Amino acid sequence: RKEVEQDPGPFNVPEGATVAFNCTYSNSASQSFFWYRQDCRKEPKLLMSVYSSGNEDGRFTAQLNRASQYISLLIRDSKLSDSATYLCVVNRGGNNRKLIWGLGTSLAVNP
Amino acid sequence: DAGVTQSPTHLIKTRGQQVTLRCSPKSGHDTVSWYQQALGQGPQFIFQYYEEEERQRGNFPDRFSGHQFPNYSSELNVNALLLGDSALYLCASANGQGAAPSSYEQYFGPGTRLTVT
Repeated sequence: RKEVEQDPGPFNVPEGATVAFNCTYSNSASQSFFWYRQDCRKEPKLLMSVYSSGNEDGRFTAQLNRASQYISLLIRDSKLSDSATYLCVVNRGGNNRKLIWGLGTSLAVNP
Repeated sequence: DAGVTQSPTHLIKTRGQQVTLRCSPKSGHDTVSWYQQALGQGPQFIFQYYEEEERQRGNFPDRFSGHQFPNYSSELNVNALLLGDSALYLCASANGQGAAPSSYEQYFGPGTRLTVT
């Protein structure tokens, strides 16, 4: 089993739709969780950090379920500019500062 | 507030050659990580530097080496280049090595696209 797993998609949604991505992680010692956004041939950009049960920033909501070891990202009122790959990132836990990256979920928002 | 910068942006090398990539971290950051990202893949961790020492390393051969300077900038060196080394090389910086979750937040530079022919 991979340490961090995401559905690769692609997710094709119309403008204005609500879309949710899930990410599962295998290491119960993980403490820090992130969602990054990456546009084609660009660097990843930090979208949200998730330290407690959840975090909300405008149209974006991230939730953490430690018992089931998954995090989710909800995007409301999708915009064309939301089209990108969304990467789930988890720290390995303990004193290990290595971040483990998922392969990403591709989102295409259509007019 | 200067973000993470990398140079060069693009590079073309021949098999067997050596390459050095450079990174300056975001202002106030002292930890630098290097990643390799092939097309369609997530970033693969190469190594992380803090206080001029390699602190963590991913599953990359010894051909990949690095250095961090007193001003926190960093270099990634790759020797004996292979065709499979062609990728986007990303540098990310973070602030500190403490227990605070925010110290794990990494900010990326635009990357260096390396093509090996």
